[in-house]
Amino acid sequence: GEEVAQTPKHLVRGEGQKAKLYCAPIKGHSYVFWYQQVLKNEFKFLISFQNENVFDETGMPKERFSAKCLPNSPCSLEIQATKLEDSAVYFCASSQSPGYGYTFGSGTRLTVV
Amino acid sequence: GENVEQHPSTLSVQEGDSAVIKCTYSDSASNYFPWYKQELGKRPQLIIDIRSNVGEKKDQRIAVTLNKTAKHFSLHITETQPEDSAVYFCAASWSGNEKLTFGTGTRLTIIP
Repeated sequence: GEEVAQTPKHLVRGEGQKAKLYCAPIKGHSYVFWYQQVLKNEFKFLISFQNENVFDETGMPKERFSAKCLPNSPCSLEIQATKLEDSAVYFCASSQSPGYGYTFGSGTRLTVV
Repeated sequence: GENVEQHPSTLSVQEGDSAVIKCTYSDSASNYFPWYKQELGKRPQLIIDIRSNVGEKKDQRIAVTLNKTAKHFSLHITETQPEDSAVYFCAASWSGNEKLTFGTGTRLTIIP
């Protein structure tokens, strides 16, 4: 389809619990990006994929965050042992090729309590 | 790494007037500059973009200008309408990296 599909829309986790977010990019888009948007609107880059390969993971807090994009499956972002500061909206975006604008999904709002 | 600064953080404009939002970037290798509009609770949507081989681009009431020498680019919205009210983000990236570095956003309010 022509939409980046993110699930779930909302996720509430107790501190220390695991959270897993999913993203289905637009068919034919080779690049997938994950961003975290916190309350002050700032977008923090987490990780990008080119097909199923990690392209850039310089933004990932590696001790608790992991991500995958496997063939024929939605991409996923997993947070082990969530902390209060992980509360944010997590956006996934996809792009068909270098130098093209992203199409964003509608985001997953994660609330850690 | 790239750093993108965006000004102003808030902007109120009378309906029908023009709005200008400015961004500067630090990495001279950056060559792609999109602008996104984000309404409250919604996803960012690409409204216009420009590449470094072009100085200006226009799409109806929206235009973007790029000054590579000064490393700044601007969004211009003319004849503003209430539905233009949103948060606008500039961003920059360079070929081979593809990661967008975003500005901190401008909350634009159109006063009827």
